[in-house]
Amino acid sequence: QSVLTQPPSASGTPGQRVTISCSGSSSNIGSNYVYWYQQLPGTAPKLLIYRNNQRPSGVPDRFSGSKSGTSASLAISGLRSEDEADYYCAAWDDSLSGLYVFGTGTKVTVL
Amino acid sequence: EVQLVESGGGLVQPGRSLRLSCAASGFTFDDYAMHWVRQAPGKGLEWVSGISWNSGSIGYADSVKGRFTISRDNAKNSLYLQMNSLRAEDTALYYCAKGLYGAVAVGFDYWGQGTLVTVSS
Repeated sequence: QSVLTQPPSASGTPGQRVTISCSGSSSNIGSNYVYWYQQLPGTAPKLLIYRNNQRPSGVPDRFSGSKSGTSASLAISGLRSEDEADYYCAAWDDSLSGLYVFGTGTKVTVL
Repeated sequence: EVQLVESGGGLVQPGRSLRLSCAASGFTFDDYAMHWVRQAPGKGLEWVSGISWNSGSIGYADSVKGRFTISRDNAKNSLYLQMNSLRAEDTALYYCAKGLYGAVAVGFDYWGQGTLVTVSS
């Protein structure tokens, strides 16, 4: 059961900028780092952003992350056809048992 | 090159058990936390369990607590998930994932290709 809320879909034409939101609470996004994962169709997820806004080596700088309070967002600038994928935010949650929570996922379509 | 190869999935009846394995290579296994994440068919990602580099810190999702047990063998560069009392809702592709650091409460940077577990009579 996801506790981080994302819009189910987002879309744009090639070259456009697309932003995906991720809404959480004080026990997860509000007090821990946010991570973003990209899942291309039929493949395993891939780390896109860690520690709110850091990109692993190899991830294009078209992808950027930010966090404010209990929300986070992922921006994709210069949208390309290969960006068509599912995107998930995630964060550790400091609730009773402590667990890692994912967002509901956003399907990005390149029109 | 980091490689994570899961195995042990298959078709199992409700109430039965299954043990998943993940063979790791390409990095110093005992420096990093490891995790299991699952994805039901057509659904989103769900964290299942995580274990710190020295097995000193372990966490489980509420949905599997008391039924699943995570463990690791650093000498064999391997991660395991013992799944007991399986239910239909445990049907999913199970991914092994490498933690970014040794502590369990962080994200993951590499994922395996997954092993499919189907719970059905």
